[in-house]
Amino acid sequence: DAGVIQSPRHEVTEMGQEVTLRCKPISGHNSLFWYRQTMMRGLELLIYFNNNVPIDDSGMPEDRFSAKMPNASFSTLKIQPSEPRDSAVYFCASNTVEGGTGNTIYFGEGSWLTVV
Amino acid sequence: AQTVTQSQPEMSVQEAETVTLSCTYDTSESDYYLFWYKQPPSRQMILVIRQEAYKQQNATENRFSVNFQKAAKSFSLKISDSQLGDAAMYFCAYRSTGANSKLTFGKGITLSVRP
Repeated sequence: DAGVIQSPRHEVTEMGQEVTLRCKPISGHNSLFWYRQTMMRGLELLIYFNNNVPIDDSGMPEDRFSAKMPNASFSTLKIQPSEPRDSAVYFCASNTVEGGTGNTIYFGEGSWLTVV
Repeated sequence: AQTVTQSQPEMSVQEAETVTLSCTYDTSESDYYLFWYKQPPSRQMILVIRQEAYKQQNATENRFSVNFQKAAKSFSLKISDSQLGDAAMYFCAYRSTGANSKLTFGKGITLSVRP
């Protein structure tokens, strides 16, 4: 089975530009998470969805960040306008409570974002 | 709220030796899950091992094993016969049971392996 798929893997953009990160969760998983990793803050949960519904977005840093999950197989994280302090690795992860994996969250390879 | 603490920022081990990475957590829940994830320089988050709190038996995956002390809220990872490929950052993580629960991470520990 394919794992969590994220795109782009790397993005360099100029300050003020819009950035869209994409994620395809593992088929059959009904929970999806967006994490951000920086040297200063470590791994932070930005938002997570269950059955395509946002459950907790308290980690979204500010209004410049938005996330959507229009269907069970796709999610986006958008930053508009982007700022240099948004430079980080953004991880998407998914999970299902069913089956033997019981509560294990699987991560994509991450999207490395650099805002200059 | 649950917290996860990894107090050692760095550790080093000689190849083929054994190393133990420490983790403590704080929770008022009785049932939960604990994880160790490995993050090599590629930044990919790789699940190493998982422990269900209701199980008394410590989880083991090949050279990786945990020492789970529920009363002490301690969850250490032991790596036996360390290999150069084990060099990475290791994160301890906590998750409540239930579909709508998030994963809470510690700050991680950087493990280096000396040849």
